[in-house]
Amino acid sequence: GDSVTQMEGPVTLSEEAFLTINCTYTATGYPSLFWYVQYPGEGLQLLLKATKADDKGSNKGFEATYRKETTSFHLEKGSVQVSDSAVYFCALLSGGYQKVTFGIGTKLQVIP
Amino acid sequence: DVKVTQSSRYLVKRTGEKVFLECVQDMDHENMFWYRQDPGLGLRLIYFSYDVKMKEKGDIPEGYSVSREKKERFSLILESASTNQTSMYLCASSLPGLHYNSPLHFGNGTRLTVT
Repeated sequence: GDSVTQMEGPVTLSEEAFLTINCTYTATGYPSLFWYVQYPGEGLQLLLKATKADDKGSNKGFEATYRKETTSFHLEKGSVQVSDSAVYFCALLSGGYQKVTFGIGTKLQVIP
Repeated sequence: DVKVTQSSRYLVKRTGEKVFLECVQDMDHENMFWYRQDPGLGLRLIYFSYDVKMKEKGDIPEGYSVSREKKERFSLILESASTNQTSMYLCASSLPGLHYNSPLHFGNGTRLTVT
C-alpha cells in the first residue's frame, strides 16, 4: 500500500538557519504530493502541493520539488523564523480515492 | 474562510461509555473525514463520507462508527470507549475531487482521554 516516510524529530534550529525536512514515499501510479503544517493548538492546513513529476510547490518561503526518480518531496526553507515552529506532515494522494496518506509528522522548533 | 468546528476541545470519558464526537463544517463540502493523531503514528483515517448518509471505512475503523444525517455534520461514535482510543481526533472536509478542487480543511481537534 501507499506510505510516506519522514523523520519525527524534533528538529531544532536557530532563527535564520536553513531548513530541510526529508520525505520519501511509496505509491502506485502517479501520486500528488503535499506538505501540511500544524501550528500549536490547531488543526492541519495545506502548506504546498505538487501534482506531477518535477513540479515545485512553494508558499510562505517554503519549497518542495516532486522527484519521481528518487520518490522524494523534501521540504526546504532558506531562513526559518520562530513563527515557523510547528509540526510538518508530508502526504500523498494516489489513484481516484479521496484518501490522503500522511507521514508521522516532523516537529520543528526554531529558537531565537 | 472555511470553518470546521469540533464541538469539544477536551473530553474525558470512562471505559465502556458511548462517546460522540461532533464535527460541523460551514462550506457545503461533500467530503468529510475523521482521523486520529498519535505520536509516532501520524494521522490515520478512521472513516470518511462523500455524501449524506454515505460512509466508507478508512484504515482503522474497528471500534468506531459514524453518522452523516446532514451535509454539514459528521459524527464519530465510540460504541464502547476503551483506553486504547485515547487520542487526538481530527475532523476534516473537502470538495469532491480532493486536492484538485480543494485541499483538506481541518478542525482544531478533540483530545479524548479514556480512563
